[in-house]
Amino acid sequence: GAVVSQHPSRVICKSGTSVKIECRSLDFQATTMFWYRQFPKQSLMLMATSNEGSKATYEQGVEKDKFLINHASLTLSTLTVTSAHPEDSSFYICSARDFDRGGYTFGSGTRLTVV
Amino acid sequence: KQEVTQIPAALSVPEGENLVLNCSFTDSAIYNLQWFRQDPGKGLTSLLLIQSSQREQTSGRLNASLDKSSGRSTLYIAASQPGDSATYLCALYGNKLVFGAGTILRVKS
Repeated sequence: GAVVSQHPSRVICKSGTSVKIECRSLDFQATTMFWYRQFPKQSLMLMATSNEGSKATYEQGVEKDKFLINHASLTLSTLTVTSAHPEDSSFYICSARDFDRGGYTFGSGTRLTVV
Repeated sequence: KQEVTQIPAALSVPEGENLVLNCSFTDSAIYNLQWFRQDPGKGLTSLLLIQSSQREQTSGRLNASLDKSSGRSTLYIAASQPGDSATYLCALYGNKLVFGAGTILRVKS
């Protein structure tokens, strides 16, 4: 089936630094990818929709300048958390829709801890 | 605005029991529905996908149904095992997914 690879799985960074998370569709092309954030014991919250070759669409309340999204190819989207603060610590998950096989496929998630 | 509700929020059953997880949604327009499983600290694993024109899908011990007229979907798990312990999420989608809050399942050995 469709596979989405997400890296890194865990990252610890210092406050004020930036962190980049990669999301790759391995066996299909993804013109659109999605970035979610998940707080402990809560469901996924959609942050933004990443569109290949164009600007991302952010959900209400999500800071565009804080969470930079780049979707430069049909198989890669990146999320950069800029000037990270402890409150940005969370679990971030990406997904992509495989239109040929149907349904959404998710990456394994990235646990970000800002100290 | 589509809202998705999952009942129960948590469920604990002994091994071997058959169980049903429920998912209801407010907008009965034509949507596809997908059931996922999430293990602690992990991403989501797709279990079953029901296209808008379908009524149910089966995979192994899992069976999912979709009734658009009543705005409901159920996930049936037969002969539950401790390895089934996880959070189960249903999601409806058109251009993007709308998730329920999930059901935390614990199967006791």
